Order: sequence, then structure tokens, then C-alpha cells
Amino acid sequence: KAGVTQTPRYLIKTRGQQVTLSCSPISGHRSVSWYQQTPGQGLQFLFEYFSETQRNKGNFPGRFSGRQFSNSRSEMNVSTLELGDSALYLCASTGQTGRETQYFGPGTRLLVL
Amino acid sequence: AQSVAQPEDQVNVAEGNPLTVKCTYSVSGNPYLFWYVQYPNRGLQFLLKYITGDNLVKGSYGFEAEFNKSQTSFHLKKPSALVSDSALYFCAVRDPNTGRRALTFGSGTRLQVQP
Repeated sequence: KAGVTQTPRYLIKTRGQQVTLSCSPISGHRSVSWYQQTPGQGLQFLFEYFSETQRNKGNFPGRFSGRQFSNSRSEMNVSTLELGDSALYLCASTGQTGRETQYFGPGTRLLVL
Repeated sequence: AQSVAQPEDQVNVAEGNPLTVKCTYSVSGNPYLFWYVQYPNRGLQFLLKYITGDNLVKGSYGFEAEFNKSQTSFHLKKPSALVSDSALYFCAVRDPNTGRRALTFGSGTRLQVQP
């Protein structure tokens, strides 16, 4: 099976712009979670989607949003970018049983100038 | 609220020696526990997990971890370290009683294996 894929891998934006990141889960996985990784804050949960519905959300401002499509692919959007949004954004997919492992993609590295 | 502590920022070990990367957790119920490894400019790679059952869990690349409920620990171990094991290791916990799949991660431990 192909793993989790994320596009683009690298992105440079300027403050105030918006950005959309994409994640394709492992085939058959319907749950997609997003995490932000920074040197200062470590790995932090952003949100989880299952069957096109947001199930959980982390402690991030409303500028961070996401969605999931009927084929389980997910996108996250960050509007009005700030310098502090520079990070590695990781997507993970999980099977349906709830016990299953979260498998991570390679991440999208976002640099905000 | 759930939390994970990795008390060591870095662990240094000589190749061929055993290694231990420490992790302690706090969760209200019975935890799901995970170890992931991250190589430079890469995502997280799953190593092993504890859900239930045998306290000693074996994972990928010769790694294992022991779940200790009384000490709320889940230390990662390997009998003989390789230089290629040098990477950043993350312990993570999930409380299945909350219904949330969100993982809470520790701060990470950098493992350096010297030849």
C-alpha cells in the first residue's frame, strides 16, 4: 500500500497570505489528523477528520481550518499567515477501529517570511 | 488532561551497546502508548505501540518497549545500538476513553550513536 502523501513538500509564503496544504491518506483509511511541529512548541494536534466531519480540534486560532473530501483526502488552510506559523505540518491517517496506528506523511515545511 | 514526559533531551550511546530512551505518561484511564522515530527532514515513522496485553512490546528494527503501569512509564529499548539508529525519538499517548484519536507527544529525545 502506498503511504500517506502530502503536497507540496516545501512552501514559502509572506505574512498575510494564505496557504492550503493537501494530504492523501493510506487507501482505506478514513481518519485524517493534522499536527504542527515547531522547535519551540514541539508536536501539537491541530484537528482530526473522519468521514468528512471534523471530530476534534486542537488549541489553535480560527485562522487554521481544514476539510475532508468524500475520497478521504484532506486539506488544511491557514489564512493571514504569521511568522510563527512557520513549521512542519504533518498529516496522519488511521484505520477505522480506533486502536490502529496513526501513520504519518513526510510533512509540508512552511516558511513564512 | 493527558501528558507525556521525555526527561532526556539527548542520549549518547556507543554502537553495539544497549540503549534506553525514557518516557513517562499521565492519563486518566488505560493508555494507548506509541513510539515514533523522525529522521532529518522526514515525517514520523511508527516503531511500536502498547494497547493491551503483554507489557513487553516488540517493534520494528529490533526496538522494544516495556509498559509499566505502576511507574507510568513506557521506555524504549534496544539491545545493541546501530549508528543508523541516530535520530529523534518521540513517545506519544492517547486516552481511548475520550474518543479522541489525537496523540499527545513528548518533547522528543535525540539519540546519538557513536561508532
